Amino acid sequence: AQSVAQPEDQVNVAEGNPLTVKCTYSVSGNPYLFWYVQYPNRGLQFLLKYITGDNLVKGSYGFEAEFNKSQTSFHLKKPSALVSDSALYFCAVRDSASKIIFGSGTRLSIWP
Amino acid sequence: EAQVTQNPRYLITVTGKKLTVTCSQNMNHEYMSWYRQDPGLGLRQIYYSMNVEVTDKGDVPEGYKVSRKEKRNFPLILESPSPNQTSLYFCASSPLGGLYGYTFGSGTRLTVV
Repeated sequence: AQSVAQPEDQVNVAEGNPLTVKCTYSVSGNPYLFWYVQYPNRGLQFLLKYITGDNLVKGSYGFEAEFNKSQTSFHLKKPSALVSDSALYFCAVRDSASKIIFGSGTRLSIWP
Repeated sequence: EAQVTQNPRYLITVTGKKLTVTCSQNMNHEYMSWYRQDPGLGLRQIYYSMNVEVTDKGDVPEGYKVSRKEKRNFPLILESPSPNQTSLYFCASSPLGGLYGYTFGSGTRLTVV
């Protein structure tokens, strides 16, 4: 069965430091992978996607994600965190049947 | 402005009273979907639709109905709401079967008492 795991409920990072939010997946066929961000009292916003091609994908707000097929991972990264990056982040995968499954979310907290 | 519009934003209702949450998109997207968000569980897919008159169950379809009579609209119907359907609901749309990422609505916070 398809699944997405975000092993960390919370990630705390000092402003200016690099950040990583982890995501692993299990899906039959080629994965289509996504990251979304949710600010308080808002809907989810699309950050970036991997469909095919380069394993390093660049997205909105300076975020990027690295696709690793052998480790079935799609970790979200940013070289230098901002306090305004504090939010809830979701990883998602689309399977071959067009169902899109989300992880449980990781709360990112950037402290000044 | 390209958007997904959900109504209402907030709703408090009583057990068993039928309700409909509307969802409309203005981007001519084929793919639409409903999710519920619960703490610690992330977003779980309720139903999705690949196009007009085509709907499929997601992971948690029990107690919900949908219809897709027009491309732009995808209402979520709770025929007999129960307290365990208290949740935050999101509608989302995407072109090309969800390959290019969703545009989400602002959410509907439903409380069933």
